[in-house]
Amino acid sequence: GQQLNQSPQSMFIQEGEDVSMNCTSSSIFNTWLWYKQDPGEGPVLLIALYKAGELTSNGRLTAQFGITRKDSFLNISASIPSDVGIYFCAGDSSYKLIFGSGTRLLVRP
Amino acid sequence: GAGVSQSPRYKVAKRGQDVALRCDPISGHVSLFWYQQALGQGPEFLTYFQNEAQLDKSGLPSDRFFAERPEGSVSTLKIQRTQQEDSAVYLCASSLTARIGYEQYFGPGTRLTVT
Repeated sequence: GQQLNQSPQSMFIQEGEDVSMNCTSSSIFNTWLWYKQDPGEGPVLLIALYKAGELTSNGRLTAQFGITRKDSFLNISASIPSDVGIYFCAGDSSYKLIFGSGTRLLVRP
Repeated sequence: GAGVSQSPRYKVAKRGQDVALRCDPISGHVSLFWYQQALGQGPEFLTYFQNEAQLDKSGLPSDRFFAERPEGSVSTLKIQRTQQEDSAVYLCASSLTARIGYEQYFGPGTRLTVT
């Protein structure tokens, strides 16, 4: 079945640093979504991407839909403590979402 | 707020018991999804409703799992004769349209622990 490879699995960063994470797939997706999940909560939608090559920003977050439709990256600029959490990429397989295994972000104050 | 709500937030069941998990989607959202999330993993698709019609139940792990959305709004996921491997967080998501690949908004989840 379809699988998403998300990397890195986890990362420690210093507050104020920029962060980059990415997802790759063996299959083409028509939509890429990025979510953040805090402990004990459901995933919260951060950015939605619908067109190959699309670059979209949401505050300090920027995400791009790869031109091959098989990858996407998420950048966080000037990280702050509340950025801690697990970030998931998801691609659409028809109507349902296929999720990566997540990138756990830990910020040193 | 006007987000997706789920109840109960936590459920402990003894092996063999039946459980029912409720999802209230965002008002007016056509599509409703159930996902299962194991510890340390991303959510995995269980089933999909468009209004009251269950269009895909291919992700349900066994015939002990049953979902319904009789009036096209609230949905219930029922698990019969629970087993320890059913322990997970069950997430509900809704989407405004039936458009393929449209944004899905998640509820807080129900954490099920089977002892």
